[in-house]
Amino acid sequence: GAGVSQSPSNKVTEKGKDVELRCDPISGHTALYWYRQSLGQGLEFLIYFQGNSAPDKSGLPSDRFSAERTGGSVSTLTIQRTQQEDSAVYLCASSIYRDTGGYTFGSGTRLTVV
Amino acid sequence: KNEVEQSPQNLTAQEGEFITINCSYSVGISALHWLQQHPGGGIVSLFMLSSGKKKHGRLIATINIQEKHSSLHITASHPRDSAVYICAVLYNNNDMRFGAGTRLTVKP
Repeated sequence: GAGVSQSPSNKVTEKGKDVELRCDPISGHTALYWYRQSLGQGLEFLIYFQGNSAPDKSGLPSDRFSAERTGGSVSTLTIQRTQQEDSAVYLCASSIYRDTGGYTFGSGTRLTVV
Repeated sequence: KNEVEQSPQNLTAQEGEFITINCSYSVGISALHWLQQHPGGGIVSLFMLSSGKKKHGRLIATINIQEKHSSLHITASHPRDSAVYICAVLYNNNDMRFGAGTRLTVKP
């Protein structure tokens, strides 16, 4: 596709359930990033993938969060046993290579945990 | 057309130079962020502002709501300032839109 595609755009889930968020980056972009934006807060880095290398997971807030990137393309962010504090907009971005700028961000997934 | 336009896309400067990065947006916003991304991917939020001017050390951010324009200035630039700087606008519904980023390289 022409841009970074995220799905679903909105997700409401019950506390304790698992959720999966999907990001389809721009074809040919080797770098993929996940961030989250909580209400009124700044942008928080979660995880970064570069090609097929081991991801930088330093931003994941707890072991309930995990992410994978299959075949160097589509990425899935999984949150297990969701908590209310997980409610946020989860953003995905991709770029051709790490640190070159030219980021393209997806429109985000708004997650609400009730 | 991106809702958030940043310029320049790439910028190379000599140590000590004054740096300006610009950001323009097309519709009303509740706030604007300037973000810094260093090698490694982690992002640091430098400023969040909705009016006027903020200063932190050698960094200054200004916003003109009427003109829908913001600038990030770095005084006495240093090689450690080398990073990608991203402008992001926050709408009232908490949706966020991002500029493509400006890659700054400061040479010693």
